Amino acid sequence: TQLLEQSPQFLSIQEGENLTVYCNSSSVFSSLQWYRQEPGEGPVLLVTVVTGGEVKKLKRLTFQFGDARKDSSLHITAAQPGDTGLYLCAGDSEGSGYALNFGKGTSLLVTP
Amino acid sequence: DADVTQTPRNRITKTGKRIMLECSQTKGHDRMYWYRQDPGLGLRLIYYSFDVKDINKGEISDGYSVSRQAQAKFSLSLESAIPNQTALYFCATSDWGTSYSSYNEQFFGPGTRLTVL
Repeated sequence: TQLLEQSPQFLSIQEGENLTVYCNSSSVFSSLQWYRQEPGEGPVLLVTVVTGGEVKKLKRLTFQFGDARKDSSLHITAAQPGDTGLYLCAGDSEGSGYALNFGKGTSLLVTP
Repeated sequence: DADVTQTPRNRITKTGKRIMLECSQTKGHDRMYWYRQDPGLGLRLIYYSFDVKDINKGEISDGYSVSRQAQAKFSLSLESAIPNQTALYFCATSDWGTSYSSYNEQFFGPGTRLTVL
């Protein structure tokens, strides 16, 4: 099992602030995904990154995959209360083909 | 309508009871998964199935069993529930490995909150 370390574990900010959360591993991943989970719901896929150095944008969210495909970051610009939730990264390691390895998540609270 | 549904959404039971959690999907995906989520531990894989005849143990299968009744249905059973099985349980599907998807992107149900007293 490849470990995915997410940081910070908790983040509480005010509306309008910027933030970055990180997902790091010592293993190489063929792809890495970010999910957001709201209370009482299952995780929902936000994005998949597959190429080292790749940057993807989803409105105010920017996702980056590290050059070596071992780490990723999620940057949120001008956070809004609707961004509140648990952000999970999940890696699909080279040749595993069956299971995702999930990080423990970053819990984000954005207050008005 | 939701693509992945789970029943029940909440369940309280007692130690030693047999419990079945059910998952149905209308996404037409072959691959289905059962995870449990605990505070501070993240999502951990219990069992996964690539098709009706292919069922595999995940990271934490002890104390659990599964049944894949059809492509669309995947059930998780706790034969004799114990308090440390209190958790959130999620079913997920994926069409990884098909012509439609090259990546193991997963689609989750809303979860079942199970409490074992």
